[in-house]
Order: sequence, then structure tokens, then C-alpha cells
Amino acid sequence: GENVEQHPSTLSVQEGDSAVIKCTYSDSASNYFPWYKQELGKRPQLIIDIRSNVGEKKDQRIAVTLNKTAKHFSLHITETQPEDSAVYFCAASIGGTSYGKLTFGQGTILTVHP
Amino acid sequence: SAVISQKPSRDICQRGTSLTIQCQVDSQVTMMFWYRQQPGQSLTLIATANQGSEATYESGFVIDKFPISRPNLTFSTLTVSNMSPEDSSIYLCSVVRPPGDTEAFFGQGTRLTVV
Repeated sequence: GENVEQHPSTLSVQEGDSAVIKCTYSDSASNYFPWYKQELGKRPQLIIDIRSNVGEKKDQRIAVTLNKTAKHFSLHITETQPEDSAVYFCAASIGGTSYGKLTFGQGTILTVHP
Repeated sequence: SAVISQKPSRDICQRGTSLTIQCQVDSQVTMMFWYRQQPGQSLTLIATANQGSEATYESGFVIDKFPISRPNLTFSTLTVSNMSPEDSSIYLCSVVRPPGDTEAFFGQGTRLTVV
């Protein structure tokens, strides 16, 4: 089955800096890669996603890049703010009727210091 | 976005007992997914619940331990049976909205503590 590795496990940055989180996946059939943000005690919420026919996607301060050949994808957050502090999870899915069947990475605890 | 209601939000249970978690969605969906999030860990898919057929379990999860019901297209239950302290986790249900959508929405989770 699919295996998703995520690094780093913790990331500490100063407000205004950029943050980058990287993930690799093993199953070449995976073609959908969402990123979720989970604040303490809350449910995971989608912040951005990318499909395998796209190399990069941006949404304001957040961007995701995908290298299908190397089987890795990354989350980039620019101009970080204290409210960006949370746990971030990458995930992979084969899509189709199985978009909800997600294999998650281990998570990254992001701390943004004011 | 989907509205997903999970009950109970939390519970403390005695070892050896069972707990049934309910998940109600505000619209009809073909598949509902159950995840487990152990303390400080990531999410792991337990099973996929389809209406009118047996749930499909992921490796490491079995029906005897986590029986699932899916009586209609808006509701599902997950039972955690014969609980042990190792079952202490957050259990979340998830759905993807009607065809064409890709985003998986999660319920608020059920925080289970087994003592």
C-alpha cells in the first residue's frame, strides 16, 4: 500500500519567515495530494491540494509543488503569522472514487514566533 | 462544505466494554470513512463504509474489533469493541461531497479514553 513520509516533524520560524514542509510517497498510482491543517483540539481542515497533472498551485501565502517523477511534494508558506501555528499533514490518494481514502504523513508541528 | 456531526464528542470507558460512535452527514454520500488518530499521531484509515454492503477494512483493522454499520446514505456508526487502553484515540469520520469533488471533510472527532 501507499506510504507517505513527512519532514520535518517540528518546525520553528519567526513571524514573516517562510516555512517549507516536504513529503514523499511510494505509490505511483497516487494522483491527489492534499494538505491539512489541524489546530489543537480541532478537526483537520484542507488548506490546499494538488493533482498529479499539475506541478504547482498557489493560494495567497500558501503554495504546493509536486514532482511526480521523484514522488515528492512540498508545502510552502510565506510571510508566516502566529495563527499559522498548527500541525500540518500531507496526504496522498489514488483519487477516482477513492478521494476520501487518504494516507497521511506523520505531521509537522509548525510554531511561528511573534 | 459538508456538515458532519459526530456523537459523542468524548467519552471515558472501562476496559472490556464497547462504544458506538455515530456520524451524521447533512447530505447523501456514497462512501463514509473512519479514521483513528492516536495521541500526538497522524490519522490512519480504519475502514470505508458503503451503504448496502460490508465495510472495507484497511490492513491491521478487523470487523470483530471495529464493526461498522451504514444503514443509509447520511449515517454510519463505528463500534470500538472489547476496549483496552491502547484504543484510547480520537476517532473521526470523513466524507467527500458528491461526485466531482475531491475535498475530504472531517467530523469533529470522538475523543475516547479507556481506563
